[in-house]
Amino acid sequence: EAQVTQNPRYLITVTGKKLTVTCSQNMNHEYMSWYRQDPGLGLRQIYYSMNVEVTDKGDVPEGYKVSRKEKRNFPLILESPSPNQTSLYFCASSLSGTLENTQYFGPGTRLTVL
Amino acid sequence: GENVEQHPSTLSVQEGDSAVIKCTYSDSASNYFPWYKQELGKRPQLIIDIRSNVGEKKDQRIAVTLNKTAKHFSLHITETQPEDSAVYFCAASSTIGAGSYQLTFGKGTKLSVIP
Repeated sequence: EAQVTQNPRYLITVTGKKLTVTCSQNMNHEYMSWYRQDPGLGLRQIYYSMNVEVTDKGDVPEGYKVSRKEKRNFPLILESPSPNQTSLYFCASSLSGTLENTQYFGPGTRLTVL
Repeated sequence: GENVEQHPSTLSVQEGDSAVIKCTYSDSASNYFPWYKQELGKRPQLIIDIRSNVGEKKDQRIAVTLNKTAKHFSLHITETQPEDSAVYFCAASSTIGAGSYQLTFGKGTKLSVIP
């Protein structure tokens, strides 16, 4: 089944404790992206990747890192999480990084930073 | 960068009535406009999209219209049903960097269909 998966789905952590949220897609998509969703603010892009080893900042990249060493995986890293990073995170992928097309979203990761 | 405004933020309609959600965008170079539906606790899913060379697109009870001159696009849902209750997001794409694109989302509209 074609899909985007994320792990973990739920995470409660404390300020300053490094964490990684994994994202994987099995559709051979070039483009992958991370969004955060906050009430009243919609979906805001954190980072995106056009292809392997090509990543760039979105609208709200502060406090986050990403890597794209393999086409299928695009982990989101919070080196020192803070309470303002408490949010619902979605990974998404699409076929091409240069031509707009459907973005498929993962199931989401609800992160709470105490 | 692109700025997308979406209205209204909440919308309640009686079952069987129509619902209209409107979005405006700022980047005149934007040329792809998808709409996503997010049910409670679920991921956003594409329901319909339109490109700038098309003025209107329909898919059963859902239609989207685009006015490039005015830089606005709308989602129309006819004969609404309780299962249409969800949060709807519009988005506009803009070209950035080395030929890539970015989707900028509106803040969402919570649609409630009252049986």
